[in-house]
Amino acid sequence: KQEVTQIPAALSVPEGENLVLNCSFTDSAIYNLQWFRQDPGKGLTSLLLIQSSQREQTSGRLNASLDKSSGRSTLYIAASQPGDSATYLCAAPAGGTSYGKLTFGQGTILTVHP
Amino acid sequence: DVKVTQSSRYLVKRTGEKVFLECVQDMDHENMFWYRQDPGLGLRLIYFSYDVKMKEKGDIPEGYSVSREKKERFSLILESASTSQTSMYLCASSLFLKGYEQYFGPGTRLTVT
Repeated sequence: KQEVTQIPAALSVPEGENLVLNCSFTDSAIYNLQWFRQDPGKGLTSLLLIQSSQREQTSGRLNASLDKSSGRSTLYIAASQPGDSATYLCAAPAGGTSYGKLTFGQGTILTVHP
Repeated sequence: DVKVTQSSRYLVKRTGEKVFLECVQDMDHENMFWYRQDPGLGLRLIYFSYDVKMKEKGDIPEGYSVSREKKERFSLILESASTSQTSMYLCASSLFLKGYEQYFGPGTRLTVT
């Protein structure tokens, strides 16, 4: 059964810092990995989807990497801004005949202060 | 643009009531999912559907049922609401040809009193 862990659970940084969020998963037989952002009381917004054949995916100031062999993914946020404050979740396929089922990490709560 | 909508943002129901939560997607996705999200427990899958009239239980199906009569619509039913079902309910959809990238609705905050 897939298990996903995110470290750290919470992170507080000053504006302008570059930061890294970590995600690890136990079943490396994955076809992709997805990063989401969630604002308080809202749904999840998909940030990046990395296919297993890719090692990196970039969108603006966000860069996600995937290392299947070590069971790890990282989300790099460059030049952080207060508007980046949110909970960031990673999710990996649940395993087996999954039909796209995902297993989610507990999330990293990011606070960027001015 | 991808769009998943949910019938209500906030809902207050009484214990024992039958509750219907509706989710609609306009992307012709074959897969649809219902999750609940609780502090400290994260997102947990209740049910999912991979085709019209097809459904499978997720990790916490007890006390819930689902219906998918049309491809775009996936309903979650609380047969007899209990206070333990007070939660944020999130619907999502995905498409195999788009790498199973999941798209979420805005969520329904359900309170059962």
